[in-house]
Amino acid sequence: GNSVTQMEGPVTLSEEAFLTINCTYTATGYPSLFWYVQYPGEGLQLLLKATKADDKGSNKGFEATYRKETTSFHLEKGSVQVSDSAVYFCALMGGGYQKVTFGTGTKLQVIP
Amino acid sequence: GAVVSQHPSRVICKSGTSVKIECRSLDFQATTMFWYRQFPKQSLMLMATSNEGSKATYEQGVEKDKFLINHASLTLSTLTVTSAHPEDSSFYICSARESSGAQETQYFGPGTRLLVL
Repeated sequence: GNSVTQMEGPVTLSEEAFLTINCTYTATGYPSLFWYVQYPGEGLQLLLKATKADDKGSNKGFEATYRKETTSFHLEKGSVQVSDSAVYFCALMGGGYQKVTFGTGTKLQVIP
Repeated sequence: GAVVSQHPSRVICKSGTSVKIECRSLDFQATTMFWYRQFPKQSLMLMATSNEGSKATYEQGVEKDKFLINHASLTLSTLTVTSAHPEDSSFYICSARESSGAQETQYFGPGTRLLVL
């Protein structure tokens, strides 16, 4: 079946530091890949997505590239802010039922 | 962007009572809605897929008689936790896939926190 593996957190960074959250996946066929963000006490918000190999999703300074050869979709941001503190979920959608499979989430804490 | 709402946002109930959670797509029609459960510090677990006008499809290990799902219209799905017990306390999140939009995009509601005493 499909699965998503992402780095365990929490990740603590100073403001303006570079962020990388690793994500790898296992899936049959050609899934679509997503990053969702969950702020404290809230639901999930779509951060960015990529639907085919070599696509780069980007939003709010975050970006991730769909790498089929390494089955990865790592999330990066060049300069994080305190407001980026949240839990980030890597996810994929594939299969006939279009179900979304989530990773376990990585908590990011950015300190001033 | 598309908006999905959930009501209530938080509910506290006594053990043995039933609780209904509503999920609405506010500005689009959703043929399919999904119900997830999130445990503290864990990822989302898909409970069931709700299709408008038909029975929901439950994931393995999810009791359909315990978690009743009704998708009565293209903008509303409800999850009823019947005879709730403390172990049902959790964060329940719904998502909706727009009928006419890109099939790969789901929009998530803000979640409902259920506490069963």
